[in-house]
Amino acid sequence: GAGVSQTPSNKVTEKGKYVELRCDPISGHTALYWYRQSLGQGPEFLIYFQGTGAADDSGLPNDRFFAVRPEGSVSTLKIQRTERGDSAVYLCATGTRNTGELFFGEGSRLTVL
Amino acid sequence: AQSVAQPEDQVNVAEGNPLTVKCTYSVSGNPYLFWYVQYPNRGLQFLLKYITGDNLVKGSYGFEAEFNKSQTSFHLKKPSALVSDSALYFCAVRDWELTGGGNKLTFGTGTQLKVEL
Repeated sequence: GAGVSQTPSNKVTEKGKYVELRCDPISGHTALYWYRQSLGQGPEFLIYFQGTGAADDSGLPNDRFFAVRPEGSVSTLKIQRTERGDSAVYLCATGTRNTGELFFGEGSRLTVL
Repeated sequence: AQSVAQPEDQVNVAEGNPLTVKCTYSVSGNPYLFWYVQYPNRGLQFLLKYITGDNLVKGSYGFEAEFNKSQTSFHLKKPSALVSDSALYFCAVRDWELTGGGNKLTFGTGTQLKVEL
């Protein structure tokens, strides 16, 4: 597709459940980022992939959060044992390594009841 | 560490008047600086960036930003505001001496711009 695609756009789940959020990047973009945006806040960095490998996962809040990008294209953010504090919009962004410009998807809004 | 401050939660301006959205930053090295805009129910869109070179950077939709190293600021400006400019604006920074993190950006908390007739 022409842009970054994220699914689902909205996800409502119950506390303790497992959630997967998917990101389809712009074709050819090797760098992929996950950010989290809470209400009234700017996006906060979670993890960065260069190709298939996680080059920097320093923003993942705890071990309930995990992300993969097995073929260097689509990425999945996985959240185990969800908590109400995980409620936020999860943003995926891709780019080429050196330009600095990131292309963002519209986000997946996660609500944990 | 890198950080960004956007001191104004909201900026109101009349259509046709100039607008300024403020941003200050902190990095240990030299900065890459960015402005992004977020329209309701839309993804963040890139407006402009400063890497090196001229301190005045021009971007999309008639926006520009001025890099001021001594004041560690990167304010967003537009000579004549439009109602359609109403949106949420984010300033972001990356320390270019930060290695291994790709283009890992630190964002400010955002400034809501409201342009009225």
